[in-house]
Amino acid sequence: QEQLVQSGAEVKTPGASVKVSCVASGYTFSSYDINWVRQATGQGLEWMGWMNPNTGDTGYAHNFQGRVTLTRDTSITTAYMELSNLRSDDTAVYYCARGPRDRSHLDSWGQGTLVTVSS
Amino acid sequence: QSLLTQPPSVSAAPGQKVTISCSGSSSNIGKNYVSWYQQFPGAAPKLLIYDSDKRPSGVPDRFSGSTSGSSATLGITGLQTGDEADYYCGTWDNSLSAGVFGGGTRLTVL
Repeated sequence: QEQLVQSGAEVKTPGASVKVSCVASGYTFSSYDINWVRQATGQGLEWMGWMNPNTGDTGYAHNFQGRVTLTRDTSITTAYMELSNLRSDDTAVYYCARGPRDRSHLDSWGQGTLVTVSS
Repeated sequence: QSLLTQPPSVSAAPGQKVTISCSGSSSNIGKNYVSWYQQFPGAAPKLLIYDSDKRPSGVPDRFSGSTSGSSATLGITGLQTGDEADYYCGTWDNSLSAGVFGGGTRLTVL
């Protein structure tokens, strides 16, 4: 059974960066994209970007261009999301989610990582 | 402001049927598959419907999806109290080259 397990909660100060990991298991890591979605408390889902673990190709939502970087380490089937120049409104739960290449849906989600940005 | 518009809340009695709408445009729902996600408080979203009308294994056939033009609908029949959750539609937007979600709908089973 496919599973995505994310790293633990983080507390950061404004202007800092955060890097969240997502360990994939139970399927062929290179065969599916990894997407990142965030959710502020009491708010809806916000798509951030996608990464093809096979090629390293990425695509980012306009709102995050220049601040988010998606990478992977195929040797340990792990995807990473790094968000820089953090602001207080970046406080949210960040999810990684697996999806097919056609980006039609997200069929398996990590448990979420709470990132708190506070001075 | 989400590109996909959902009602903030819907409600119905146990055993009844409810529909949740998701309105988009020709650059997203009008050209791409829609997916639906169910989210309970404190939990990650779960895929409920994909490719507009398909159910992953394990999802009861009480849940259904459909599309018409630039809109999509999630239907839930035989409502149970355990269906109380937030529901989100999602799709790809060709103009933005980005994934988009609706703002979410809170389902209350009275």
